[in-house]
Amino acid sequence: QVQLQQWGAGLLKPSETLSLTCAVYGGSFSGYYWSWIRQPPGKGLEWIGEINHSGSNNYNPSLKSRVTISVDTSKNQFSVKLSSVTAADTAVYYCARGEHSSGAYGMDVWGQGTTVTVSS
Amino acid sequence: QSALTQPPSASGSPGQSVTISCTGTSSDVGGYNYVSWYQQHPGKAPKLMISEVSKRPSGVPDRFSGSKSGNTASLTVSGLQAEDEADYYCSSYAVSNNVVFGGGTKVTVL
Repeated sequence: QVQLQQWGAGLLKPSETLSLTCAVYGGSFSGYYWSWIRQPPGKGLEWIGEINHSGSNNYNPSLKSRVTISVDTSKNQFSVKLSSVTAADTAVYYCARGEHSSGAYGMDVWGQGTTVTVSS
Repeated sequence: QSALTQPPSASGSPGQSVTISCTGTSSDVGGYNYVSWYQQHPGKAPKLMISEVSKRPSGVPDRFSGSKSGNTASLTVSGLQAEDEADYYCSSYAVSNNVVFGGGTKVTVL
């Protein structure tokens, strides 16, 4: 059974760079698209972007200038970096798996979530 | 890309049905049969309930069904049970390889 385990810094200061990593256990890494999604406190979900095993990316246009998603196939891991964070980037960040690009077939496996708070 | 529009809340008594709408545009919901629905209980990660408008992943009860007409997709939960009380989010593939989510609907079982 596929599991996603994610980790990263939970408290950042404004202007710093958010960095999170998600590891895939118990299943294939290739053949899927690996996404990052976030959820501000009390609000809805927002897709950040995705990557596949060969490094092909798609990003949310509203975040594209600040986001980089990368992959390490040797470790079955993928990561997200979000630069110049502000309080508006405070959210629970999730990693997730999709069978097709841009969540077309849905995202069927999710990480446990990481709470990131941006505060001076 | 604007978020998809969902009603903030919906409710029904046990055994009844509730339908949640998700309205987008021809650039997302109306243009592709790639609408998904997620259930989220408080403090938990979302769970995929419906993909490609109406497909149920393995393990999802057949009480959950999806449909689409034009720019609006719908999720129907039949035979409401207490454990169905949760937030529900729709999402859609959108032009230029983007993903958009709805604002979420809180379903209350009365």
